[in-house]
Amino acid sequence: NAGVTQTPKFQVLKTGQSMTLQCAQDMNHEYMSWYRQDPGMGLRLIHYSVGAGITDQGEVPNGYNVSRSTTEDFPLRLLSAAPSQTSVYFCASSRDRASYGYTFGSGTRLTVV
Amino acid sequence: RKEVEQDPGPFNVPEGATVAFNCTYSNSASQSFFWYRQDCRKEPKLLMSVYSSGNEDGRFTAQLNRASQYISLLIRDSKLSDSATYLCVVNRYTNAGKSTFGDGTTLTVKP
Repeated sequence: NAGVTQTPKFQVLKTGQSMTLQCAQDMNHEYMSWYRQDPGMGLRLIHYSVGAGITDQGEVPNGYNVSRSTTEDFPLRLLSAAPSQTSVYFCASSRDRASYGYTFGSGTRLTVV
Repeated sequence: RKEVEQDPGPFNVPEGATVAFNCTYSNSASQSFFWYRQDCRKEPKLLMSVYSSGNEDGRFTAQLNRASQYISLLIRDSKLSDSATYLCVVNRYTNAGKSTFGDGTTLTVKP
């Protein structure tokens, strides 16, 4: 049981490049989300999904897109990378976030230069 | 004011000490609560849920005070391995899909 798998673990981008952070879970969880974590700012929700085909914005969605074509996968796309997007990105999933909490992936450390 | 607030610490305690963290929340509609542990440069991991009646897991005790709108985490007999950042999380059922994380409290347990 792999849980939540994120790839890549590390990435360096140049300003203006685009890329997709991958997230996959094998627990059949309906709820998935993307967070970014910056020093002194805690975890901030970027986008989330309550099931396949359903996505919605979190508190810091600008510059990011998501899609949820399957229950398992929830990729995060950076449209045109900016230095302000340098951060650690975590994907999380939950069967029922109100009762069971989240399982997090191991994170992607992204640097935009 | 942030919706969820934690004392950032750091809390520096000797091995064997008892330490307590509080987390306050501002929205009275909040309905489920959790504590997570995050080690340096790692992902957060669920430590325990927080129930209205209070709950215990080994050396860890979590409590909820709805009247004063805070949750607490008590760690007894601290171990070196307890050194980490502890995050509280608050959910509101009316805010579908969105959980609010505190910024975390850092604990360092010293020999």
